[in-house]
Amino acid sequence: ETGVTQSPTHLIKTRGQQVTLRCSSQSGHNTVSWYQQALGQGPQFIFQYYREEENGRGNFPPRFSGLQFPNYSSELNVNALELDDSALYLCASSRSQGYGYTFGSGTRLTVV
Amino acid sequence: EDQVTQSPEALRLQEGESSSLNCSYTVSGLRGLFWYRQDPGKGPEFLFTLYSAGEEKEKERLKATLTKKESFLHITAPKPEDSATYLCAVTSSNTGKLIFGQGTTLQVKP
Repeated sequence: ETGVTQSPTHLIKTRGQQVTLRCSSQSGHNTVSWYQQALGQGPQFIFQYYREEENGRGNFPPRFSGLQFPNYSSELNVNALELDDSALYLCASSRSQGYGYTFGSGTRLTVV
Repeated sequence: EDQVTQSPEALRLQEGESSSLNCSYTVSGLRGLFWYRQDPGKGPEFLFTLYSAGEEKEKERLKATLTKKESFLHITAPKPEDSATYLCAVTSSNTGKLIFGQGTTLQVKP
């Protein structure tokens, strides 16, 4: 059983640019959610997708958007990058909402 | 508003010195309480899920317990390899999102 894989592992972008982060869910999982983790803080919920539909969103601006594909893989897109967007971005998948989330290793995004 | 608070923020133990980490929560209808371990620069690694008050789960030197207001992660005779940040999170019956505390960073010295 494969786990959750994220790519790339590290990324450096310039303020104002756009970035796409990718996630492959664990086999059999139909729910995927994304989290932002600043240094020394707990992860903060960005949004969640269930069967390709967004069904929950945290306190993040619209420039944070996402997609879930029929194979349950997912993308996180961030437009107009700001310095404060520098963080570890985590993807998590689950068989069912609210139960048993498996996390990927994350993408470390640095905005300069 | 759903909220999770962990204490202490940091904990230093000598190898073999048992202790407990606390997770206090307020949530509108608890669906589950989760404990994760996170090593620097890596994603959280699942440890336990607790669903109802009175429930307990164990894994090696770790034991998690749950009441209606808080959860404890007890570490018995810790080893240096137990050094990590321990995260507590809850999900509510309203949403499936995980609400995390800020974590407790544990350092175990030999």
